Amino acid sequence: GAGVSQSPSNKVTEKGKDVELRCDPISGHTALYWYRQRLGQGLEFLIYFQGNSAPDKSGLPSDRFSAERTGESVSTLTIQRTQQEDSAVYLCASSTHGAGLYNEQFFGPGTRLTVL
Amino acid sequence: AQSVTQLGSHVSVSEGALVLLRCNYSSSVPPYLFWYVQYPNQGLQLLLKYTTGATLVKGINGFEAEFKKSETSFHLTKPSAHMSDAAEYFCALGESSYKLIFGSGTRLLVRP
Repeated sequence: GAGVSQSPSNKVTEKGKDVELRCDPISGHTALYWYRQRLGQGLEFLIYFQGNSAPDKSGLPSDRFSAERTGESVSTLTIQRTQQEDSAVYLCASSTHGAGLYNEQFFGPGTRLTVL
Repeated sequence: AQSVTQLGSHVSVSEGALVLLRCNYSSSVPPYLFWYVQYPNQGLQLLLKYTTGATLVKGINGFEAEFKKSETSFHLTKPSAHMSDAAEYFCALGESSYKLIFGSGTRLLVRP
């Protein structure tokens, strides 16, 4: 079956522009996560969606970052007025949500964002 | 504060040699620990996880990891490296029921 997909795979933008990154989770996965991976660093948690619950936005680094999810499907991560420090790979993951803790997260290939 | 430290950003081994990737953690509560692998141009894939119970955890592709509470470690091993094991490996610690704290990663190079 289809895995998590992300688009675009690469995005080059100029400082100050807005960008929108898209994530299509695995069908039936109610949980969705966004992470940022800067060069040479581990993944930083950004935001978590679970069904109709309020998202956990505790990892968003500034108010320039926002994310939405339509029901239990597509999610978009928007970065406004991009800065050079926003350059990174943005990863999306999805998982089922059950009684167990830490259901396995399935990751997409990421979007590489370069801000010039 | 909870944290994960991976010692060595790059590890190089010969094909057939032992693979040892180091991970240490800091946690004030019993930890949930994970190893993920990222092959070139692919998403991260779960190798194995430790929740409770047996401290030696076996994962996919012949990898295993041992949870050692006294050493706050969760090192990843494989007895014999294959060329196909070349990838980046991430250790992660569970911070809440869903949130993971990742280490900075270790890139494994396998020499023929």
